[in-house]
Amino acid sequence: NAGVTQTPKFRILKIGQSMTLQCTQDMNHNYMYWYRQDPGMGLKLIYYSVGAGITDKGEVPNGYNVSRSTTEDFPLRLELAAPSQTSVYFCASSRGGLRGISNTGELFFGEGSRLTVL
Amino acid sequence: RKEVEQDPGPFNVPEGATVAFNCTYSNSASQSFFWYRQDCRKEPKLLMSVYSSGNEDGRFTAQLNRASQYISLLIRDSKLSDSATYLCVVKRDSSYKLIFGSGTRLLVRP
Repeated sequence: NAGVTQTPKFRILKIGQSMTLQCTQDMNHNYMYWYRQDPGMGLKLIYYSVGAGITDKGEVPNGYNVSRSTTEDFPLRLELAAPSQTSVYFCASSRGGLRGISNTGELFFGEGSRLTVL
Repeated sequence: RKEVEQDPGPFNVPEGATVAFNCTYSNSASQSFFWYRQDCRKEPKLLMSVYSSGNEDGRFTAQLNRASQYISLLIRDSKLSDSATYLCVVKRDSSYKLIFGSGTRLLVRP
């Protein structure tokens, strides 16, 4: 099973450039998330989605956009990249439903995308 | 104040030692609690949930103290392979979102 797949794994951007981080999952999970992790810091939620066509902001959404046109895919777009967006980005999915995540608390993460903005 | 706080460590212990980490949370509405493990430059993975009555999984024991708003993780008979960062995670059951602590780093030496 592939699980959650993120691409690219590494990317260097110049200030002002735009790019899209791709995320796809093959577990038929309704719930998907984008987190960023800065060195020595916890994961911060950027955006999340509870199903196709539904997205919502997390703690740190500024400078990012998402879409969820299918259950499998949840791309994250960076517009006008800034040095503050240098981070490791993790996409994750869960079985979904309040009861489900309360019982297991299990998010399935991709391997991460390391982004540097210079 | 952070919603979830952890001692960053590192905790440097010899193989075979017992080590414990605490994590405090500030929101009394938090209802679900978890420990995740993150190896260096890897993604986090669920280690175990934390139940009100406390729970054990092999060498790992997790406990919850709602009155003092902290959870703990005890690792017995530490192995070299236990070296990792341990993330404390809380969730309010009214929310789909998990709140991650910044992690406690454990180094187990031979």
